[in-house]
Amino acid sequence: ETGVTQTPRHLVMGMTNKKSLKCEQHLGHNAMYWYKQSAKKPLELMFVYNFKEQTENNSVPSRFSPECPNSSHLFLHLHTLQPEDSALYLCASSLETQGNTEAFFGQGTRLTVV
Amino acid sequence: GENVEQHPSTLSVQEGDSAVIKCTYSDSASNYFPWYKQELGKRPQLIIDIRSNVGEKKDQRIAVTLNKTAKHFSLHITETQPEDSAVYFCAASRPLGNQFYFGTGTSLTVIP
Repeated sequence: ETGVTQTPRHLVMGMTNKKSLKCEQHLGHNAMYWYKQSAKKPLELMFVYNFKEQTENNSVPSRFSPECPNSSHLFLHLHTLQPEDSALYLCASSLETQGNTEAFFGQGTRLTVV
Repeated sequence: GENVEQHPSTLSVQEGDSAVIKCTYSDSASNYFPWYKQELGKRPQLIIDIRSNVGEKKDQRIAVTLNKTAKHFSLHITETQPEDSAVYFCAASRPLGNQFYFGTGTSLTVIP
């Protein structure tokens, strides 16, 4: 257990649904990330939050909407998704300092859009 | 932004042999290079990392080398065991912002 927890573990949703993915960490980290992992593709960085402020939006479509209410929690709100959005969504956290440090990953949410 | 390429995409070795995975990166400002191992159905976990001020780092059967001039780094696993079978990802990160850019992954199979 790395201290990063994601819920739900699995999610099936229709294209017209609205759902949210949740991530929380109690490691004292101040940076949190959303990654998308599709088959045969690299881990795609979606969003980065440092001290609750979004510092990176990697050209992600607006149907994905992140929210970071505090340094311990991160959400990904989903609406009107497409089948090609089906993937494993991984949350990670790290301690943002002048020197780069290890990113700890959650177990991921396996999302299927039907 | 950073572009990380990883080769090979699949690798099969006999138990006891060595395995080498190579990555290249494009951004000369990148200074941190972690390697993650992801077992089937599990989360990626850090196995070793290297910073740009060193050329090589070793941890038991695992070693990583870095060539800053050529902008490439490699993972070496010696005396491979079946439990080494997993997908391995390299990554590169710039300073002042933990924005990890990952390679496409290498699926390693160790044949008993």
